[in-house]
Amino acid sequence: EPEVTQTPSHQVTQMGQEVILRCVPISNHLYFYWYRQILGQKVEFLVSFYNNEISEKSEIFDDQFSVERPDGSNFTLKIRSTKLEDSAMYFCASSDSSEISPTDTQYFGPGTRLTVL
Amino acid sequence: QKEVEQNSGPLSVPEGAIASLNCTYSDRVSQSFFWYRQYSGKSPELIMSIYSNGDKEDGRFTAQLNKASQYVSLLIRDSQPSDSATYLCAEYSNSGYALNFGKGTSLLVTP
Repeated sequence: EPEVTQTPSHQVTQMGQEVILRCVPISNHLYFYWYRQILGQKVEFLVSFYNNEISEKSEIFDDQFSVERPDGSNFTLKIRSTKLEDSAMYFCASSDSSEISPTDTQYFGPGTRLTVL
Repeated sequence: QKEVEQNSGPLSVPEGAIASLNCTYSDRVSQSFFWYRQYSGKSPELIMSIYSNGDKEDGRFTAQLNKASQYVSLLIRDSQPSDSATYLCAEYSNSGYALNFGKGTSLLVTP
């Protein structure tokens, strides 16, 4: 069964450093997402991406965040200058709709645990 | 701002019993709802989606949606210890791109 994959599973970085989290969405999916979950808190939406453009972003997704689809398979989240409060699980998700529908199912990857020291 | 509310629990049920998980939502025009299961340290895994008023059954799971009362529930029949996890209720944002999650209800099924 196709699944979303993410690398690395765990990333440790120093405050102020740049990190890139990588995701390979399910191959025929068209919409891609990033969510984060701070330990003990709820899953929060960061950004959605379609047709090489951001379709929606949350207040969390400020100027130090960026997303890119550098090739036909990868989808990346870059954090330019990490802060202690960026420590969280970051989940990539994808859905297969060609146009947004309230019935779209989003499938989540296993996540990357980011620890900022 | 759309809100999805869940009792954090923990909800403890004995093995073989029915577990009932509830979720309320604030936006009367919300159309679709999703139940995800999340084991500790793992990612959300879709269990069921529901879009219409009434019940939807899938194996041991039944989702119920009541749009008039603005609540969604998930029933797990014949609960197993492996069902012990946090159950997340989610709906789409007004834009239709972002899933808005509740904080989740922790379920513990005791042998």
